[in-house]
Amino acid sequence: TQLLEQSPQFLSIQEGENLTVYCNSSSVFSSLQWYRQEPGEGPVLLVTVVTGGEVKKLKRLTFQFGDARKDSSLHITAAQPGDTGLYLCAGASGGTSYGKLTFGQGTILTVHP
Amino acid sequence: GAVVSQHPSWVICKSGTSVKIECRSLDFQATTMFWYRQFPKQSLMLMATSNEGSKATYEQGVEKDKFLINHASLTLSTLTVTSAHPEDSSFYICSARHGGFNEQFFGPGTRLTVL
Repeated sequence: TQLLEQSPQFLSIQEGENLTVYCNSSSVFSSLQWYRQEPGEGPVLLVTVVTGGEVKKLKRLTFQFGDARKDSSLHITAAQPGDTGLYLCAGASGGTSYGKLTFGQGTILTVHP
Repeated sequence: GAVVSQHPSWVICKSGTSVKIECRSLDFQATTMFWYRQFPKQSLMLMATSNEGSKATYEQGVEKDKFLINHASLTLSTLTVTSAHPEDSSFYICSARHGGFNEQFFGPGTRLTVL
């Protein structure tokens, strides 16, 4: 069974601060997705990272995939109240689990004005 | 692109009744869809994988006779919660796989409340 450990589970910060969310696993993933979910809605895909060592930027969000494709991080610069939500990482695998995603536990981010 | 819809967005039913939830891919065809359950402030829990034209694959501990899944077309999967009980109350979310990197695109979810 593949596991994806996501930390921290809760993050409460002030507007303007920086933060980093981590996802770690002992398993190798073919790709890793980051989602953001607001209460009462479905998760929205933010980014997909595929190559070991890959870095992708989405405005103030920076996503990194580890060299061994076992871990990933999400860094937010100068957080804003609009960034508040549940952030989920999810790893994709091949083989018999093809198409299924392994989700991290999620990080609930609250950015206070 | 890659829009997934769900219907209904919320439903309240009496204990013992059955409830059907629809998941549609609006602008793409999806041979594989997934059904998740989510409790408040928690991550997603995969219930089953829905494959077009074949039987669904259920995760361990999920009762296939209670959660009936039908994927009759490339754009529609349905989840029927049979003989619903209050403990089935939850947020149910579907997703459809699209793209070359196993990305999943999620529906907006269905809030089920069983009285």
